[in-house]
Amino acid sequence: DAGITQSPRHKVTETGTPVTLRCHQTENHRYMYWYRQDPGHGLRLIHYSYGVKDTDKGEVSDGYSVSRSKTEDFLLTLESATSSQTSVYFCAISEGDIQETQYFGPGTRLLVL
Amino acid sequence: DQQVKQNSPSLSVQEGRISILNCDYTNSMFDYFLWYKKYPAEGPTFLISISSIKDKNEDGRFTVFLNKSAKHLSLHIVPSQPGDSAVYFCAGNTGKLIFGQGTTLQVKP
Repeated sequence: DAGITQSPRHKVTETGTPVTLRCHQTENHRYMYWYRQDPGHGLRLIHYSYGVKDTDKGEVSDGYSVSRSKTEDFLLTLESATSSQTSVYFCAISEGDIQETQYFGPGTRLLVL
Repeated sequence: DQQVKQNSPSLSVQEGRISILNCDYTNSMFDYFLWYKKYPAEGPTFLISISSIKDKNEDGRFTVFLNKSAKHLSLHIVPSQPGDSAVYFCAGNTGKLIFGQGTTLQVKP
């Protein structure tokens, strides 16, 4: 198994509060990704990073920001959580070439009340 | 605009029989296609992939077929086992993964 951990694994928060999710890898992979999984939508890319301090938007980036100050850590921040951001969030890593497989973390279940 | 579609939300098969999971896509720029399997409360795990220049890739009980003219791929599992019960996602890759909605497979003993 790829060395990917996510914290917290579960979180309940209130609308309007900031939330930060952390992804940590021990594989020294260059690329890191944040996805959300919702019924009927599969997994959708929020943001990704192709190196320290290098990030870009995915298809559902509104309301989210990311930071990567170290190779091993990729943070996802919900500046002001909304109920529509209730979801399961997955981090993934890869070496980055198009043929490279992405390896996923265990997920964080977030409930915004 | 859903670039990758899995039109069957669920599939139920008997142990030992073949499971066929289907996936359709609209983006001709996909270079690779991948299948992931996901158990409840776990992250997706990579299962098998296929390059757009091939029409078949096999790995043990799992075979993926690609029909580019129809923009269709399928995953065959033979023989199916109860441990194969999971959600299966197909994805197209252009440097970013675009996932389908997933199909829940139930293999009955």
